[in-house]
Amino acid sequence: AQSVAQPEDQVNVAEGNPLTVKCTYSVSGNPYLFWYVQYPNRGLQFLLKYITGDNLVKGSYGFEAEFNKSQTSFHLKKPSALVSDSALYFCAVGGRGSTLGRLYFGRGTQLTVWP
Amino acid sequence: EAQVTQNPRYLITVTGKKLTVTCSQNMNHEYMSWYRQDPGLGLRQIYYSMNVEVTDKGDVPEGYKVSRKEKRNFPLILESPSPNQTSLYFCASTWADTQYFGPGTRLTVL
Repeated sequence: AQSVAQPEDQVNVAEGNPLTVKCTYSVSGNPYLFWYVQYPNRGLQFLLKYITGDNLVKGSYGFEAEFNKSQTSFHLKKPSALVSDSALYFCAVGGRGSTLGRLYFGRGTQLTVWP
Repeated sequence: EAQVTQNPRYLITVTGKKLTVTCSQNMNHEYMSWYRQDPGLGLRQIYYSMNVEVTDKGDVPEGYKVSRKEKRNFPLILESPSPNQTSLYFCASTWADTQYFGPGTRLTVL
């Protein structure tokens, strides 16, 4: 079975500091991994994904994520946080082939960036 | 403009009164999905569809029905809603292995 864990319900960081939102996964085979962001009263916006290739993936709004197969992790990072980055972040693992339509989400991490 | 639309955006109803939440995409995507979002639980997949007339259960299908008669539409049907179906619902369609989400429907069942 596929699953995703986001070990931190909340992450607080000062503006200008680097931020990390953690995600670990459990899958059989090679994973499709995703990060989404949800701003208050909005839908989910796609940030970035890892399918194959380079372990460092760059996405929207200056975010990046590092795929680490040995640690089964896919942490989201940004070198310098902005107050406008404050939102709810979801990590997800997707199915392949016959399960392409499946997507399993973590419980989410609330990021707050203090001015 | 490529988008996933849902209607209604907000709905308050009573227990047992059948309702349908519509979902439409204008991108000719084959895969579409429904999710519910509950605090502390993240998003959980209800149903998904691989193409017209092809659907399958997700993780929490009980109490829901779906149909896919045309490629662009994927309605979610609650035949007899109950208060535990009060939630925020999202429709999504898939392109290039990535799911793109609609704006959400906030449903309250009294």
